Amino acid sequence: ETGVTQTPRHLVMGMTNKKSLKCEQHLGHNAMYWYKQSAKKPLELMFVYSLEERVENNSVPSRFSPECPNSSHLFLHLHTLQPEDSALYLCASSQAMGNYGYTFGSGTRLTVV
Amino acid sequence: SQKIEQNSEALNIQEGKTATLTCNYTNYSPAYLQWYRQDPGRGPVFLLLIRENEKEKRKERLKVTFDTTLKQSLFHITASQPADSATYLCALYPYLIQGAQKLVFGQGTRLTINP
Repeated sequence: ETGVTQTPRHLVMGMTNKKSLKCEQHLGHNAMYWYKQSAKKPLELMFVYSLEERVENNSVPSRFSPECPNSSHLFLHLHTLQPEDSALYLCASSQAMGNYGYTFGSGTRLTVV
Repeated sequence: SQKIEQNSEALNIQEGKTATLTCNYTNYSPAYLQWYRQDPGRGPVFLLLIRENEKEKRKERLKVTFDTTLKQSLFHITASQPADSATYLCALYPYLIQGAQKLVFGQGTRLTINP
Protein backbone atom coordinates (compact mmCIF):
# COMPACT_ATOMS: atom_id res chain seq x y z
CA GLU A 1 0.00 0.00 0.00
CA THR A 2 1.11 3.53 -0.72
CA GLY A 3 0.06 5.16 2.55
CA VAL A 4 -3.03 6.69 0.93
CA THR A 5 -6.09 4.45 1.27
CA GLN A 6 -9.21 4.91 -0.82
CA THR A 7 -12.52 3.16 -0.27
CA PRO A 8 -14.43 1.68 -1.90
CA ARG A 9 -12.26 0.32 -4.74
CA HIS A 10 -15.27 -0.13 -6.99
CA LEU A 11 -18.67 1.57 -6.93
CA VAL A 12 -21.70 1.20 -9.15
CA MET A 13 -24.45 3.74 -8.57
CA GLY A 14 -27.64 4.84 -10.20
CA MET A 15 -28.13 8.41 -11.32
CA THR A 16 -30.43 9.17 -8.40
CA ASN A 17 -28.21 7.67 -5.69
CA LYS A 18 -26.07 9.47 -3.13
CA LYS A 19 -22.72 7.93 -2.25
CA SER A 20 -19.40 9.02 -0.80
CA LEU A 21 -15.80 8.21 -1.62
CA LYS A 22 -13.32 8.16 1.24
CA CYS A 23 -9.59 8.87 1.31
CA GLU A 24 -7.27 8.52 4.28
CA GLN A 25 -3.57 9.28 4.70
CA HIS A 26 -1.30 9.03 7.73
CA LEU A 27 1.84 10.30 6.04
CA GLY A 28 1.73 13.65 7.79
CA HIS A 29 1.06 15.44 4.51
CA ASN A 30 -0.66 18.80 4.68
CA ALA A 31 -2.33 18.86 1.25
CA MET A 32 -4.87 16.52 -0.30
CA TYR A 33 -6.32 16.34 -3.80
CA TRP A 34 -9.08 14.76 -5.84
CA TYR A 35 -8.38 13.90 -9.48
CA LYS A 36 -10.61 12.34 -12.11
CA GLN A 37 -9.09 9.97 -14.67
CA SER A 38 -11.14 9.08 -17.74
CA ALA A 39 -10.01 6.80 -20.55
CA LYS A 40 -7.55 8.43 -22.96
CA LYS A 41 -7.62 11.76 -21.09
CA PRO A 42 -5.09 13.32 -18.74
CA LEU A 43 -5.76 13.39 -15.03
CA GLU A 44 -8.12 16.24 -14.29
CA LEU A 45 -7.65 18.14 -11.05
CA MET A 46 -10.96 18.55 -9.24
CA PHE A 47 -10.27 19.88 -5.75
CA VAL A 48 -7.29 20.88 -3.66
CA TYR A 49 -7.20 21.11 0.13
CA SER A 50 -4.35 22.59 2.11
CA LEU A 51 -4.44 22.34 5.90
CA GLU A 52 -8.11 21.33 5.68
CA GLU A 53 -9.06 24.43 3.71
CA ARG A 54 -10.28 24.14 0.13
CA VAL A 55 -7.91 26.21 -1.97
CA GLU A 56 -9.00 25.23 -5.46
CA ASN A 57 -12.19 24.10 -7.11
CA ASN A 58 -11.59 23.48 -10.80
CA SER A 59 -15.06 24.32 -12.15
CA VAL A 60 -16.39 21.01 -10.93
CA PRO A 61 -20.19 20.51 -11.14
CA SER A 62 -22.02 20.85 -7.85
CA ARG A 63 -23.07 17.19 -7.96
CA PHE A 64 -19.53 16.58 -6.62
CA SER A 65 -19.07 17.91 -3.11
CA PRO A 66 -15.74 17.53 -1.26
CA GLU A 67 -15.22 17.50 2.48
CA CYS A 68 -12.01 17.57 4.50
CA PRO A 69 -12.82 17.16 8.22
CA ASN A 70 -9.15 16.90 9.25
CA SER A 71 -5.72 16.70 7.67
CA SER A 72 -5.88 12.89 7.36
CA HIS A 73 -9.28 12.43 5.74
CA LEU A 74 -10.89 13.58 2.52
CA PHE A 75 -14.32 12.71 1.18
CA LEU A 76 -16.03 13.19 -2.15
CA HIS A 77 -19.81 13.19 -1.85
CA LEU A 78 -21.67 12.23 -5.00
CA HIS A 79 -25.30 12.86 -5.91
CA THR A 80 -27.39 12.76 -9.08
CA LEU A 81 -24.42 11.83 -11.22
CA GLN A 82 -24.45 11.33 -14.97
CA PRO A 83 -23.10 8.35 -16.94
CA GLU A 84 -20.24 10.55 -18.22
CA ASP A 85 -19.06 10.84 -14.62
CA SER A 86 -17.97 7.20 -14.76
CA ALA A 87 -14.20 7.22 -14.28
CA LEU A 88 -11.36 6.37 -11.90
CA TYR A 89 -11.34 8.86 -9.02
CA LEU A 90 -7.94 9.30 -7.46
CA CYS A 91 -7.02 10.84 -4.16
CA ALA A 92 -3.49 12.10 -3.53
CA SER A 93 -1.59 13.81 -0.75
CA SER A 94 1.64 15.78 -0.60
CA GLN A 95 3.85 18.07 1.35
CA ALA A 96 3.98 21.63 0.06
CA MET A 97 7.57 21.46 -1.06
CA GLY A 98 10.44 19.05 -1.20
CA ASN A 99 11.84 16.41 -3.44
CA TYR A 100 8.79 14.21 -3.36
CA GLY A 101 5.71 14.33 -5.50
CA TYR A 102 2.21 13.22 -4.78
CA THR A 103 1.36 9.97 -3.08
CA PHE A 104 -1.73 8.55 -4.77
CA GLY A 105 -4.25 6.04 -3.54
CA SER A 106 -5.32 3.14 -5.73
CA GLY A 107 -8.47 4.94 -6.77
CA THR A 108 -12.19 4.24 -6.83
CA ARG A 109 -13.55 2.90 -10.12
CA LEU A 110 -16.96 4.55 -10.39
CA THR A 111 -19.64 3.39 -12.80
CA VAL A 112 -22.84 5.42 -13.09
CA VAL A 113 -25.76 3.49 -14.57
CA SER B 1 -3.28 28.01 -24.60
CA GLN B 2 -1.39 25.88 -22.12
CA LYS B 3 -0.58 22.33 -23.21
CA ILE B 4 1.39 19.32 -22.06
CA GLU B 5 2.01 16.63 -24.65
CA GLN B 6 3.67 13.27 -24.30
CA ASN B 7 5.04 12.30 -27.67
CA SER B 8 3.23 9.08 -28.21
CA GLU B 9 0.30 7.22 -26.79
CA ALA B 10 2.14 3.89 -26.96
CA LEU B 11 5.74 2.75 -27.32
CA ASN B 12 7.07 -0.78 -27.84
CA ILE B 13 10.69 -1.54 -27.02
CA GLN B 14 12.77 -4.72 -27.07
CA GLU B 15 14.02 -5.92 -23.70
CA GLY B 16 17.49 -4.63 -22.88
CA LYS B 17 17.18 -1.49 -25.03
CA THR B 18 16.80 2.06 -23.74
CA ALA B 19 13.27 3.44 -23.74
CA THR B 20 12.99 7.19 -24.25
CA LEU B 21 9.75 9.06 -23.54
CA THR B 22 9.18 12.72 -24.33
CA CYS B 23 7.15 15.39 -22.58
CA ASN B 24 6.69 18.79 -24.27
CA TYR B 25 4.86 21.76 -22.84
CA THR B 26 3.76 25.19 -24.03
CA ASN B 27 2.83 28.36 -22.18
CA TYR B 28 4.00 27.10 -18.82
CA SER B 29 6.99 28.15 -16.75
CA PRO B 30 7.18 25.21 -14.36
CA ALA B 31 9.33 25.35 -11.28
CA TYR B 32 9.79 21.61 -11.62
CA LEU B 33 8.64 18.57 -13.52
CA GLN B 34 7.81 15.10 -12.24
CA TRP B 35 7.48 11.64 -13.74
CA TYR B 36 5.09 8.97 -12.51
CA ARG B 37 4.47 5.32 -13.33
CA GLN B 38 0.91 3.97 -13.47
CA ASP B 39 -0.05 0.31 -13.68
CA PRO B 40 -3.55 -0.73 -14.86
CA GLY B 41 -6.22 -0.13 -12.23
CA ARG B 42 -3.78 1.54 -9.84
CA GLY B 43 -2.90 5.09 -8.91
CA PRO B 44 0.26 6.71 -10.29
CA VAL B 45 3.50 6.20 -8.37
CA PHE B 46 6.03 9.04 -8.11
CA LEU B 47 9.39 8.27 -9.71
CA LEU B 48 11.52 11.39 -10.13
CA LEU B 49 11.42 15.15 -9.76
CA ILE B 50 13.68 17.55 -11.64
CA ARG B 51 13.90 21.27 -10.93
CA GLU B 52 14.12 24.06 -13.50
CA ASN B 53 17.78 24.72 -12.64
CA GLU B 54 18.76 21.04 -13.02
CA LYS B 55 19.67 19.56 -16.38
CA GLU B 56 19.62 15.89 -15.46
CA LYS B 57 18.55 13.57 -12.65
CA ARG B 58 19.23 9.87 -12.23
CA LYS B 59 17.79 7.10 -10.12
CA GLU B 60 19.04 3.57 -10.72
CA ARG B 61 18.12 2.78 -14.38
CA LEU B 62 16.06 5.95 -14.76
CA LYS B 63 17.31 9.25 -16.14
CA VAL B 64 15.36 12.47 -16.63
CA THR B 65 16.49 15.59 -18.48
CA PHE B 66 14.81 18.99 -18.41
CA ASP B 67 15.41 21.64 -21.07
CA THR B 68 13.52 24.83 -20.21
CA THR B 69 14.60 26.44 -23.49
CA LEU B 70 13.12 23.65 -25.59
CA LYS B 71 10.31 23.25 -23.04
CA GLN B 72 10.91 19.53 -23.02
CA SER B 73 11.73 16.69 -20.66
CA LEU B 74 13.09 13.31 -21.70
CA PHE B 75 12.63 10.21 -19.55
CA HIS B 76 14.97 7.29 -20.17
CA ILE B 77 14.85 3.72 -18.89
CA THR B 78 18.11 1.90 -19.61
CA ALA B 79 18.44 -1.89 -19.81
CA SER B 80 14.65 -2.10 -20.03
CA GLN B 81 12.82 -5.12 -18.61
CA PRO B 82 9.29 -6.49 -19.17
CA ALA B 83 8.50 -5.38 -15.59
CA ASP B 84 9.00 -1.77 -16.75
CA SER B 85 5.86 -2.07 -18.89
CA ALA B 86 3.38 0.53 -17.64
CA THR B 87 1.98 3.95 -18.46
CA TYR B 88 4.34 6.81 -17.68
CA LEU B 89 3.00 10.27 -16.89
CA CYS B 90 4.80 13.58 -16.82
CA ALA B 91 3.49 16.34 -14.58
CA LEU B 92 4.33 20.03 -14.36
CA TYR B 93 4.29 22.07 -11.21
CA PRO B 94 3.24 25.53 -12.35
CA TYR B 95 2.72 26.96 -8.89
CA LEU B 96 2.04 26.55 -5.22
CA ILE B 97 -1.47 27.21 -3.89
CA GLN B 98 -1.41 28.10 -0.21
CA GLY B 99 0.84 25.23 0.71
CA ALA B 100 -0.38 22.73 -1.90
CA GLN B 101 1.38 21.76 -5.12
CA LYS B 102 -0.78 22.20 -8.20
CA LEU B 103 0.31 19.52 -10.68
CA VAL B 104 -0.84 19.38 -14.30
CA PHE B 105 -0.47 15.99 -15.99
CA GLY B 106 0.20 14.85 -19.52
CA GLN B 107 -1.95 12.14 -21.05
CA GLY B 108 0.67 9.43 -20.55
CA THR B 109 2.68 7.06 -22.72
CA ARG B 110 1.93 3.33 -22.50
CA LEU B 111 5.29 1.56 -22.63
CA THR B 112 5.54 -2.13 -23.46
CA ILE B 113 8.85 -3.97 -23.13
CA ASN B 114 8.88 -7.12 -25.25
CA PRO B 115 10.95 -10.12 -24.07
